[in-house]
Amino acid sequence: DAGVTQSPTHLIKTRGQQVTLRCSPKSGHDTVSWYQQALGQGPQFIFQYYEEEERQRGNFPDRFSGHQFPNYSSELNVNALLLGDSALYLCASSLAVGVTTNEKLFFGSGTQLSVL
Amino acid sequence: EDKVVQSPLSLVVHEGDTVTLNCSYEVTNFRSLLWYKQEKKAPTFLFMLTSSGIEKKSGRLSSILDKKELFSILNITATQTGDSAVYLCACRSYSGAGSYQLTFGKGTKLSVIP
Repeated sequence: DAGVTQSPTHLIKTRGQQVTLRCSPKSGHDTVSWYQQALGQGPQFIFQYYEEEERQRGNFPDRFSGHQFPNYSSELNVNALLLGDSALYLCASSLAVGVTTNEKLFFGSGTQLSVL
Repeated sequence: EDKVVQSPLSLVVHEGDTVTLNCSYEVTNFRSLLWYKQEKKAPTFLFMLTSSGIEKKSGRLSSILDKKELFSILNITATQTGDSAVYLCACRSYSGAGSYQLTFGKGTKLSVIP
């Protein structure tokens, strides 16, 4: 049973570029959340996708956008990259119970993004 | 703004020592508190606490929540080098329309030396 998988594992970009990160949730999960973890910090919530729609959003600018596909996989897009976007980007999946999400999140190993 | 504060931020102990990690929180619409262990990249789930005073145990790890004083502790007894990791505390809060949000602390980096 595959857990949460993310690609790529590492990425180097320059300021102003755009990047797309990908996530496949754990088998049977339908909800995907994205987190940004800067060095020495805890993960910060970016947004959550359920039923192919952004369900909830953290305090991140519109440069951060996402998408969820019918197979529940998800993408995170970041436009006009800044140096401060350098971080580990974590994807977490869970299973919605009715209209609420289950408590337990399963995390992927993340994509380490470096912006030069 | 929701806030989760962990202390200490880093800790170095010898194998066999017992450690206590602290987590205090100020969270609106609090529902539960979760502990995660982050060894390399992916945080792995340890405990979820929803009620005060009920200790959760898993092997040498245990945790308890105090909803009156708004804090939780994570205890690790007889530490081993494999316990070296960053331990993250997160609070789950309800944000309406069936949505929940996790707010994480900065983590405690535990280093266990032989």
